[in-house]
Amino acid sequence: KAGVTQTPRYLIKTRGQQVTLSCSPISGHRSVSWYQQTPGQGLQFLFEYFSETQRNKGNFPGRFSGRQFSNSRSEMNVSTLELGDSALYLCASRGQGASYGYTFGSGTRLTVV
Amino acid sequence: ELKVEQNPLFLSMQEGKNYTIYCNYSTTSDRLYWYRQDPGKSLESLFVLLSNGAVKQEGRLMASLDTKARLSTLHITAAVHDLSATYFCAVTYSGGGADGLTFGKGTHLIIQP
Repeated sequence: KAGVTQTPRYLIKTRGQQVTLSCSPISGHRSVSWYQQTPGQGLQFLFEYFSETQRNKGNFPGRFSGRQFSNSRSEMNVSTLELGDSALYLCASRGQGASYGYTFGSGTRLTVV
Repeated sequence: ELKVEQNPLFLSMQEGKNYTIYCNYSTTSDRLYWYRQDPGKSLESLFVLLSNGAVKQEGRLMASLDTKARLSTLHITAAVHDLSATYFCAVTYSGGGADGLTFGKGTHLIIQP
């Protein structure tokens, strides 16, 4: 069965631009969450969506936003990019039920120059 | 605010030796996860621990959970070089509903021949 698919794999953007990242969860998974990984801050939770509703949000500025579509695919958007936004962005999907773990995609490596 | 502390953050050990990584978390959580990350790669799920006293084993890795002490351990038995990686523990906030993982800073494990 197909895993979590993130596109694109790599991105280079200029400060001030905006970027949209995409995540397609495992078929049947309705929960999608996003994480930012940097060498300094480690892995940090951005937000989580379930059935098109944002249920939880991490401590990130409003420049970071996301959405989920009816097919459970999710996008996250970062506006007015800053150098500090350079990171590996990971999304994870989870099935329903306590025993389900989070399956992560390969990530999108964003570099802001 | 949910906090997760791992120790040690860096571990260099010889093949054949045993060692334990510790994961403490600050507030009640209903699920604890262990992940492995190889350099430049995404997160690979190792274990999902759901209840007090839970113990899971896969090969040379064994994870346990003590919810009363808010402590999980990842024990490595007779380490081999292939286990060299960064290991993360993560928890979800108890209370159901919203999801999202809070990660420890990771333990960078190097196993030398």
